[in-house]
Amino acid sequence: AQSVTQLGSHVSVSEGALVLLRCNYSSSVPPYLFWYVQYPNQGLQLLLKYTSAATLVKGINGFEAEFKKSETSFHLTKPSAHMSDAAEYFCAVSDQGGSEKLVFGKGTKLTVNP
Amino acid sequence: EAGVAQSPRYKIIEKRQSVAFWCNPISGHATLYWYQQILGQGPKLLIQFQNNGVVDDSQLPKDRFSAERLKGVDSTLKIQPAKLEDSAVYLCASSVMAFLTDTQYFGPGTRLTVL
Repeated sequence: AQSVTQLGSHVSVSEGALVLLRCNYSSSVPPYLFWYVQYPNQGLQLLLKYTSAATLVKGINGFEAEFKKSETSFHLTKPSAHMSDAAEYFCAVSDQGGSEKLVFGKGTKLTVNP
Repeated sequence: EAGVAQSPRYKIIEKRQSVAFWCNPISGHATLYWYQQILGQGPKLLIQFQNNGVVDDSQLPKDRFSAERLKGVDSTLKIQPAKLEDSAVYLCASSVMAFLTDTQYFGPGTRLTVL
């Protein structure tokens, strides 16, 4: 069964600094991978997804993630943090051709300091 | 385009009471999902509908939870009777089809507190 581990339940950065949110997955078959963002009192919004095309995936709001099979990782990055990026971020995985069910990590809360 | 609508946004009940949540997906979306998000955890899929048929309900506690999607549009999730551990945010999502490459669009959720 697939699973996701997000390292760091809380990450704090200064405005303008690099954002790096870590995600490692476990899957017995090639995975689909997703990053979602959740703002307070709102539902989840898709940031980007990897579906076995290009390994470097660009998403909305300047975020991108790189699929590294050898490291079983799909870390989320943004070169320069903005105050509006403060939110909770969830990594999710699903097996290609498997149950097609998304399995989410526990989330990482990002704080952006002025 | 209107997003996924959910109501109520907040609900507080006593344990052993019943509660129901309503979801209206994006127009034209065939697939509807209900997720449970307990504080400090990621969402967990409870049930997935394709039109008005159930695709996956393997993680739905069927002794107390039930869901239906009549006419393949709106859906209702019910808990009867509620337990303290049911306190969570219940998220509804929809997608055009059931393919995982299809984006799931989430509603704002219903926050349930069981006292």
